[in-house]
Amino acid sequence: GAVVSQHPSRVICKSGTSVKIECRSLDFQATTMFWYRQFPKQSLMLMATSNEGSKATYEQGVEKDKFLINHASLTLSTLTVTSAHPEDSSFYICSARLRTSTDTQYFGPGTRLTVL
Amino acid sequence: GENVEQHPSTLSVQEGDSAVIKCTYSDSASNYFPWYKQELGKRPQLIIDIRSNVGEKKDQRIAVTLNKTAKHFSLHITETQPEDSAVYFCAASIAPSGTYKYIFGTGTRLKVLA
Repeated sequence: GAVVSQHPSRVICKSGTSVKIECRSLDFQATTMFWYRQFPKQSLMLMATSNEGSKATYEQGVEKDKFLINHASLTLSTLTVTSAHPEDSSFYICSARLRTSTDTQYFGPGTRLTVL
Repeated sequence: GENVEQHPSTLSVQEGDSAVIKCTYSDSASNYFPWYKQELGKRPQLIIDIRSNVGEKKDQRIAVTLNKTAKHFSLHITETQPEDSAVYFCAASIAPSGTYKYIFGTGTRLKVLA
């Protein structure tokens, strides 16, 4: 149980284009999903907290107009990187929290984004 | 702001020896502390967690201890094996605005030498 999937696993795009990443909770309902970014050999940095049916809460320093988050249902959240640039290249990981839990998060497999 | 410090950043041990990784958190309201193992290019996997009403928890070769007064918690791996080699992250759960979120430590790269 508590499986989280992400799609795509890898994406390469040209500078200036937009990329959408999907995060799904496969066998449970997730009221809250989280989006992290991880640069090579670094820790996971929380970008935003996504609550179903409401606007995402962004961490300080994360541009909400650049990283669009939509949490349309209890099993799906999407992250769109708009007008991507090479410095946006990173490993993006989502996590989901069980509706009945206050804290335990289950992580997706991550998406490797490379912007040329 | 809230932060979690983690030491050491790298750790090499001989197979069969023990490994200890330590974390310190800043928010005294934190009450949940998970540990994750991450292999290269993979997702973080929860290996053990502890809540603030418990001082120690053990699961086979892995144990976690928590000192709430000092705001320290540690991961102990005994009888290490080569497959334990990975990056380990500690985290503290905080809820500054009512929604619980994690603050991660900086990670420890563990290498178990055969």
